[in-house]
Amino acid sequence: AQKVTQAQTEISVVEKEDVTLDCVYETRDTTYYLFWYKQPPSGELVFLIRRNSFDEQNEISGRYSWNFQKSTSSFNFTITASQVVDSAVYFCALSEERGSWDKIIFGKGTRLHILP
Amino acid sequence: AAGVIQSPRHLIKEKRETATLKCYPIPRHDTVYWYQQGPGQDPQFLISFYEKMQSDKGSIPDRFSAQQFSDYHSELNMSSLELGDSALYFCASSLRGLSEAFFGQGTRLTVV
Repeated sequence: AQKVTQAQTEISVVEKEDVTLDCVYETRDTTYYLFWYKQPPSGELVFLIRRNSFDEQNEISGRYSWNFQKSTSSFNFTITASQVVDSAVYFCALSEERGSWDKIIFGKGTRLHILP
Repeated sequence: AAGVIQSPRHLIKEKRETATLKCYPIPRHDTVYWYQQGPGQDPQFLISFYEKMQSDKGSIPDRFSAQQFSDYHSELNMSSLELGDSALYFCASSLRGLSEAFFGQGTRLTVV
């Protein structure tokens, strides 16, 4: 069965520090997709990134970077030079492809506090 | 670009009342997903529809029902509301076969 584990329930860092959010997943499928979503206090789910299981290339987008390692079933997310606006709950998620796109399964989320 | 539209954004109901949430997917998207997110929880999958037919079912209570209409919009009907139904309800849409879902801004339901 598919499962996403975000072991860090809550993290607090001082502004401008780097922070890494961990995500470990379980799946029996060889084709799957991994996501990160940001949920600010306003409540909406903001899509950050999607990776498919065949693309292990790390990705950088501004201050955000993602490290995908199939060998350890991990898809970690790093924010460099954090800002107060980064304060939010971050969800890692997984979907499996069974002929067509399956539902997204979310981890429990990591609540990130960026302190000024 | 058009996004997933959910209405209403906020809803307050009393116990045992009925609520109907609406979701308008991105144009040409044929799949709709409903999620429930309780306070401090992760979003939980409720139900999905593909081409107006139910395609998958998660932890949706029997008091809840949903459907997708000919114009692809979807409605989630919740009856005999309980305090525990207070949550944020998300709708997502996708084009079947693509691995990307787009979420609406959610409907915050409060049951008092």
